[in-house]
Amino acid sequence: EDQVTQSPEALRLQEGESSSLNCSYTVSGLRGLFWYRQDPGKGPEFLFTLYSAGEEKEKERLKATLTKKESFLHITAPKPEDSATYLCAVRSFSSGYSTLTFGKGTMLLVSP
Amino acid sequence: DAGVTQSPTHLIKTRGQHVTLRCSPISGHKSVSWYQQVLGQGPQFIFQYYEKEERGRGNFPDRFSARQFPNYSSELNVNALLLGDSALYLCASSSTRQGATPPDYGYTFGSGTRLTVV
Repeated sequence: EDQVTQSPEALRLQEGESSSLNCSYTVSGLRGLFWYRQDPGKGPEFLFTLYSAGEEKEKERLKATLTKKESFLHITAPKPEDSATYLCAVRSFSSGYSTLTFGKGTMLLVSP
Repeated sequence: DAGVTQSPTHLIKTRGQHVTLRCSPISGHKSVSWYQQVLGQGPQFIFQYYEKEERGRGNFPDRFSARQFPNYSSELNVNALLLGDSALYLCASSSTRQGATPPDYGYTFGSGTRLTVV
């Protein structure tokens, strides 16, 4: 059974204080690791897809990295508008279809 | 281009009632998946449909059912509602066929339907 564990559950940062979110996973046959951002009461918004260990992707103040067992979402000099819940998900393929298995998310609060 | 649209946005139902949630995927997308997100948890897979056929089902009771129409829109039905069915129900669409690697943007989610069972 695919499993995704995210840490910490919640993180409070001051504006400009860089940090990292962790996503550890176990999956039989990884077909992509996804990072999403979710604002309260909204659906997840796609950020990144990573497919192989060593891969990195960047978007503005966010950088995602992937190893064989975990992924990190690095946030550099965050701003209050980066406050949201960040979800990690793995895509696997079994029984003839693919699906996403999500972690519980990390709730990020950036204070001015 | 319109994104994934879900209706209604909010819904309050009584225990034992039935509910139907609707989803319109992005134009040209043939795959629709449904997820349930309980407060404080990550989304959990319920169903996947591709080309109007059920392609996958998560660990949910038979009270949950779904279908996809010729225009690729989809309905999620839940019978005999329980308090524990209260959640945000999310629809996600994808352009790729079943099993294929999705485009780099992955799956596009709608804003969800917030269901409250009282």
